[in-house]
Amino acid sequence: GEDVEQSLFLSVREGDSSVINCTYTDSSSTYLYWYKQEPGAGLQLLTYIFSNMDMKQDQRLTVLLNKKDKHLSLRIADTQTGDSAIYFCAERRNAGNMLTFGGGTRLMVKP
Amino acid sequence: DGGITQSPKYLFRKEGQNVTLSCEQNLNHDAMYWYRQDPGQGLRLIYYSQIVNDFQKGDIAEGYSVSREKKESFPLTVTSAQKNPTAFYLCATQTGEREKLFFGSGTQLSVL
Repeated sequence: GEDVEQSLFLSVREGDSSVINCTYTDSSSTYLYWYKQEPGAGLQLLTYIFSNMDMKQDQRLTVLLNKKDKHLSLRIADTQTGDSAIYFCAERRNAGNMLTFGGGTRLMVKP
Repeated sequence: DGGITQSPKYLFRKEGQNVTLSCEQNLNHDAMYWYRQDPGQGLRLIYYSQIVNDFQKGDIAEGYSVSREKKESFPLTVTSAQKNPTAFYLCATQTGEREKLFFGSGTQLSVL
């Protein structure tokens, strides 16, 4: 099973903010990532955060990291219908280069 | 997906048949990965290769095989031993910078 956990589904209205949450288990994780997957396509890297940071903002995206609780969140401001997709969080642990992915959160944006 | 080409987009396998999924990259990345994605689930690692002529099993390698004869290519063979091969297969490469993964557009494999 996955060591990185996400809720399965989130529905928001267009123009609202979306918050996608993720919990991970390895406190030694160095980098944490958010990927977006549209139907029938590969994963696209949205943003990432280094473990010594609390927050990172990139246009409409804000990543918050709570290392104490091992909690990562992705906030999408002014959510658009084009943001409808599956969002995966992933962690890179201190040992090795491989990433461990969560199960993905399906975001549905209603007009 | 730029620089990573997976083919074919759709593939059908008959019972007892081996099939090979292609992954080619022109990003000059050393590391390459194969993931399997089942509907509504996350990604599971099948095989990975950090360098040419070397590869390692991932979490679900049984029923699969790979080769890495060239830096640009990392084909995945789904053998007849894989009894439940229907899934979406994703190839990825990894840059040394902050270990970001770049993904191909995927191959959907189905059983006839």
